[in-house]
Amino acid sequence: GENVEQHPSTLSVQEGDSAVIKCTYSDSASNYFPWYKQELGKRPQLIIDIRSNVGEKKDQRIAVTLNKTAKHFSLHITETQPEDSAVYFCAASGFKSGGSYIPTFGRGTSLIVHP
Amino acid sequence: EAQVTQNPRYLITVTGKKLTVTCSQNMNHEYMSWYRQDPGLGLRQIYYSMNVEVTDKGDVPEGYKVSRKEKRNFPLILESPSPNQTSLYFCASSPLASGITDTQYFGPGTRLTVL
Repeated sequence: GENVEQHPSTLSVQEGDSAVIKCTYSDSASNYFPWYKQELGKRPQLIIDIRSNVGEKKDQRIAVTLNKTAKHFSLHITETQPEDSAVYFCAASGFKSGGSYIPTFGRGTSLIVHP
Repeated sequence: EAQVTQNPRYLITVTGKKLTVTCSQNMNHEYMSWYRQDPGLGLRQIYYSMNVEVTDKGDVPEGYKVSRKEKRNFPLILESPSPNQTSLYFCASSPLASGITDTQYFGPGTRLTVL
């Protein structure tokens, strides 16, 4: 099955700095790559996603890049703010042979933004 | 308001006592799934359903059952809970129609403790 590796597990930055979280996946059938933010005690919520026919996508201070050949994708947050502090999860999903659909998540990155 | 709801939000029970966690969505989504979240392990899928009466195993199905008799509901059943099923559980739904992948919308979570 799919295997998603996410690094780093913890990331500590100063307010205003940039933060980068990286994920790799193993299954070439995966074609949808969402990123979720989970604040303490809350549910995961989508912040940005990218499909395999796109190399980069940006939404204000957040951007995601995808390298299909190398099977890795990254989340970039610029001008970080204390409210960006949360756990971030990457995921890889797509319809597999046989029709199954099992999104696979990375283990999460705890981002801490110091004021 | 479009949402995924789960009940109960918190549950403490004892080994072997059957329990059901309900999940309901009002977005007419075809795809529903259950995840468990454990520290350092991210989100792991337990079961998923592509449509009414269609369910399949995820990555960690042992000890769990599900059913999908109606499109909006997807209950998670623990026939004989054990302490290793102590976890935070999330239900999610997605407009996964016509083979097009899309984001998942998560419920608020159910924190289960099995003594």
